[in-house]
Amino acid sequence: DVKVTQSSRYLVKRTGEKVFLECVQDMDHENMFWYRQDPGLGLRLIYFSYDVKMKEKGDIPEGYSVSREKKERFSLILESASTNQTSMYLCASSFWQGFRYEQYFGPGTRLTVT
Amino acid sequence: DAKTTQPNSMESNEEEPVHLPCNHSTISGTDYIHWYRQLPSQGPEYVIHGLTSNVNNRMASLAIAEDRKSSTLILHRATLRDAAVYYCILRGQGAQKLVFGQGTRLTINP
Repeated sequence: DVKVTQSSRYLVKRTGEKVFLECVQDMDHENMFWYRQDPGLGLRLIYFSYDVKMKEKGDIPEGYSVSREKKERFSLILESASTNQTSMYLCASSFWQGFRYEQYFGPGTRLTVT
Repeated sequence: DAKTTQPNSMESNEEEPVHLPCNHSTISGTDYIHWYRQLPSQGPEYVIHGLTSNVNNRMASLAIAEDRKSSTLILHRATLRDAAVYYCILRGQGAQKLVFGQGTRLTINP
């Protein structure tokens, strides 16, 4: 089974702190994604990476950065956390071959910024 | 990205079939139709996808209209565990991103 793991299920941080959210996948997938999910707004793509050290902005990249130094690990960084970044953060990786395409999601990290 | 329209919520009874509709009138000829679902307190999971023909797998069936402007996800015999938000998503050929809408919240009554 494909496994996407996220470093924490719940995280509480203070305004202004630097926050690292880690995601690891064990299936050698090239593409990895970070989303945030908020009530009424659904899942929104923050950043994705299609290879090591390669990244592309999603729909809402402001206030975030990412790092992908190894194929299996994709980190989301909040340089200076703010209360409006309180959200559920979901990481995913994707498999693509011909007709087949699937994204596999981690369990999510619920981040609260106080 | 072409847009999809789904009902906000639906309700059904356990052990009955469920038909979840999705409209995508602006679909292009090379867009794939994907369905994902999100169980409570979990990340989304893949359900099924198709291009032109109807598709079946162990989880569900996907019925695609002949003009491809709509599709229906069919759960043949719903269980309580099928209560989730179901997302219908269009993905362009070669595209690596998925754009999630609001989905349909499915409630299953015992």
